[in-house]
Amino acid sequence: AQTVTQSQPEMSVQEAETVTLSCTYDTSESNYYLFWYKQPPSRQMILVIRQEAYKQQNATENRFSVNFQKAAKSFSLKISDSQLGDTAMYFCAFMKSSYAGNMLTFGGGTRLMVKP
Amino acid sequence: ETGVTQSPTHLIKTRGQQVTLRCSSQSGHNTVSWYQQALGQGPQFIFQYYREEENGRGNFPPRFSGLQFPNYSSELNVNALELDDSALYLCASSLSGTSYEQYFGPGTRLTVT
Repeated sequence: AQTVTQSQPEMSVQEAETVTLSCTYDTSESNYYLFWYKQPPSRQMILVIRQEAYKQQNATENRFSVNFQKAAKSFSLKISDSQLGDTAMYFCAFMKSSYAGNMLTFGGGTRLMVKP
Repeated sequence: ETGVTQSPTHLIKTRGQQVTLRCSSQSGHNTVSWYQQALGQGPQFIFQYYREEENGRGNFPPRFSGLQFPNYSSELNVNALELDDSALYLCASSLSGTSYEQYFGPGTRLTVT
């Protein structure tokens, strides 16, 4: 079974600054996907960024980037130039290779507050 | 393109009752997954339906059951409600059972008293 751990229950950052959210996972799988999802106070979960385990290059989506360390089973999210709209719960999630079915295993979440 | 919708938004039930939650998948998606998100926690996978058949199940008792219809909409049924069933229930649809990307609905907040 897979487990996902987010060790930072809450974080805060000043607007325009950079913040890094941590995530570690445990799996015996070699092929998998990792995701960061954002859940604003309105509740709807939105995909922020994904990483395929077979890719060595770290994924980037505009102000969001990841630091994927496969050997260490670490997958952190960096948010640059933080904006007030980034205030939300952030969940790290794991999915086995899609051919095994696409069920997500989530971490416990990090509540991020962006301060003006 | 219509996104994932869920109904009702909120629901209050009494312990021991039964409840049905509904989900309409995004247009073109044939797979629906259900997750339970207790307050302050990450979502937990309940089960998934692909082309009207259960395609995987998490660690939830049999009183959690589901259906998927020919139009790929889905229902989550919970019998004999317990206080611990109080949670946000999220539905997510995907293009297929092997697609890595899931699109979530806004959820149904269930309160059991």
